[in-house]
Amino acid sequence: GQQVMQIPQYQHVQEGEDFTTYCNSSTTLSNIQWYKQRPGGHPVFLIQLVKSGEVKKQKRLTFQFGEAKKNSSLHITATQTTDVGTYFCAGRSMDSNYQLIWGAGTKLIIKP
Amino acid sequence: KAGVTQTPRYLIKTRGQQVTLSCSPISGHRSVSWYQQTPGQGLQFLFEYFSETQRNKGNFPGRFSGRQFSNSRSEMNVSTLELGDSALYLCASSLGTSGGSNTGELFFGEGSRLTVL
Repeated sequence: GQQVMQIPQYQHVQEGEDFTTYCNSSTTLSNIQWYKQRPGGHPVFLIQLVKSGEVKKQKRLTFQFGEAKKNSSLHITATQTTDVGTYFCAGRSMDSNYQLIWGAGTKLIIKP
Repeated sequence: KAGVTQTPRYLIKTRGQQVTLSCSPISGHRSVSWYQQTPGQGLQFLFEYFSETQRNKGNFPGRFSGRQFSNSRSEMNVSTLELGDSALYLCASSLGTSGGSNTGELFFGEGSRLTVL
């Protein structure tokens, strides 16, 4: 079945360093969404990318959707303690009857 | 407007029992999805309902079932509980579309934390 692979599983960074998580789908996606889940919380929608090659920014966060619409990335510049949490990507495609297929998540940990 | 409401928030059951969890979506949202999340794990998709019809189903045994009512509220049921069913069960609602090509963002509830002893 369709899969979305997300790496890395964990990333430890010093505060102020950058963070990146990558998602790769086995099939072409109609769109991809990104969510953040704080420790003890529930996932919260960050953004949706639809167009091939799309790049969107939200302050220190930069989201990219690949030209082939099979991969995506989230980059955080100069991490802060408020960025701690797990970041999930989730893609939809016709192949999955538009069901959201989730990546396993990348946990961002800020080193003390 | 009110967010997604899940009840109960916490519950403890014993093996063999059954449990029903409830989810009230955001007003106007017609699609409801259910997920299971265990500690340190990602989101495991259970099922998605749209206008009272199950649109998609994950790879869970038949002990897991769900339904959606005409007011879009949804329930999920787990019968013959096992220890491994201990998890956070998350409900998410979205606008959904009648054409089936649901592309909307999901709004999650706080979850129902089930402990099976």
